[in-house]
Amino acid sequence: AQTVTQSQPEMSVQEAETVTLSCTYDTSENNYYLFWYKQPPSRQMILVIRQEAYKQQNATENRFSVNFQKAAKSFSLKISDSQLGDTAMYFCAFEANNLFFGTGTRLTVIP
Amino acid sequence: KAGVTQTPRYLIKTRGQQVTLSCSPISGHRSVSWYQQTPGQGLQFLFEYFSETQRNKGNFPGRFSGRQFSNSRSEMNVSTLELGDSALYLCASSLAGGRHGETQYFGPGTRLLVL
Repeated sequence: AQTVTQSQPEMSVQEAETVTLSCTYDTSENNYYLFWYKQPPSRQMILVIRQEAYKQQNATENRFSVNFQKAAKSFSLKISDSQLGDTAMYFCAFEANNLFFGTGTRLTVIP
Repeated sequence: KAGVTQTPRYLIKTRGQQVTLSCSPISGHRSVSWYQQTPGQGLQFLFEYFSETQRNKGNFPGRFSGRQFSNSRSEMNVSTLELGDSALYLCASSLAGGRHGETQYFGPGTRLLVL
């Protein structure tokens, strides 16, 4: 069975600073996909970034990047130059026919 | 392109009643997945429909059911509502089912309150 763990229920960061959200997972699969989704307050959940386990290179999308450590089953999200619009719940997710989500990290960007 | 829409957005029901929620996927998407989001359990997968067939099912009781129409719109039904069914119900659409890294596009959700 797949499990996804986010150990930081809440985090805060000053505007323009960098923050890292942690995620660990457990699977017996060898190739799979991992995602970070963002759910802003009262708004729709959107994909932030995805990583294919087969690829060693860490994915990057503008200010968002991941640190993927396959052996350690770790998949953290780094947000650089944090903006007020980054305030949201962030969910780490593992794909195995459907998405298995972690419990989320509530990130607040402080002006 | 219009995004994923869900109706109604808010719903209040009483225990024992049944409810039907609707999801219209992005045009051209053939897969619709449903998720239940609660503060205690987080986001949990309910089921996925692809081309009118249920392709995958989560670990929910039989009171939770769904269907998909030929235009890919999907409905989920919950019978004999319980207090614990109070949740935000999200649907997500994709071209082929969100496999192999495919992006799933989420709707705004239907917030159900069971009294």
